[in-house]
Amino acid sequence: AQSVAQPEDQVNVAEGNPLTVKCTYSVSGNPYLFWYVQYPNRGLQFLLKYITGDNLVKGSYGFEAEFNKSQTSFHLKKPSALVSDSALYFCAVRDMNTGFQKLVFGTGTRLLVSP
Amino acid sequence: EAGVTQSPTHLIKTRGQQATLRCSPISGHTSVYWYQQALGLGLQFLLWYDEGEERNRGNFPPRFSGRQFPNYSSELNVNALELEDSALYLCASSFGLNYGYTFGSGTRLTVV
Repeated sequence: AQSVAQPEDQVNVAEGNPLTVKCTYSVSGNPYLFWYVQYPNRGLQFLLKYITGDNLVKGSYGFEAEFNKSQTSFHLKKPSALVSDSALYFCAVRDMNTGFQKLVFGTGTRLLVSP
Repeated sequence: EAGVTQSPTHLIKTRGQQATLRCSPISGHTSVYWYQQALGLGLQFLLWYDEGEERNRGNFPPRFSGRQFPNYSSELNVNALELEDSALYLCASSFGLNYGYTFGSGTRLTVV
């Protein structure tokens, strides 16, 4: 069965510093990996995805993520955090070998960027 | 292009009643997914509809049901509401396997 783990419930970072939100995955086949962000009382917004190709994926709002097959990780990163980046971040995986299209989400990591 | 729209935004029901939530996908998207986001529990997969058929179901009791209409819009029904059904219900649509989901803003269901 496919799954993702987000080991940190919350990440705290000062504005201007780099940030990393961690995600590891488990699938039986090839993974499709996604990051989403959720602002209070809103739905999820797509940030970026990894399907195939370059291991470094660039997405919206200056975010990027690095796919590491040997470590089964897909950590979200940003070189310089903004206070407006404070939100709930979800990693998700789709196992392309199962035939099921559903995404399985992690439990989410709350990012708090302080001024 | 209109995004995924969900209605109503908020819904308050009494325990034992039925709730109906609606979702309109992005034009051209044939797949609709429903997720429940309860406080502290992350996103739990409920149902996946594609081309009018239920394709997959999460680990929820049968009182959670739904359907997809010929125009690909979808309805989620929750019967015999329980207090623990209180959650944000999110609908998403997708164009295909290589694409992520586009989410609606959700329906906040409160059972009292």
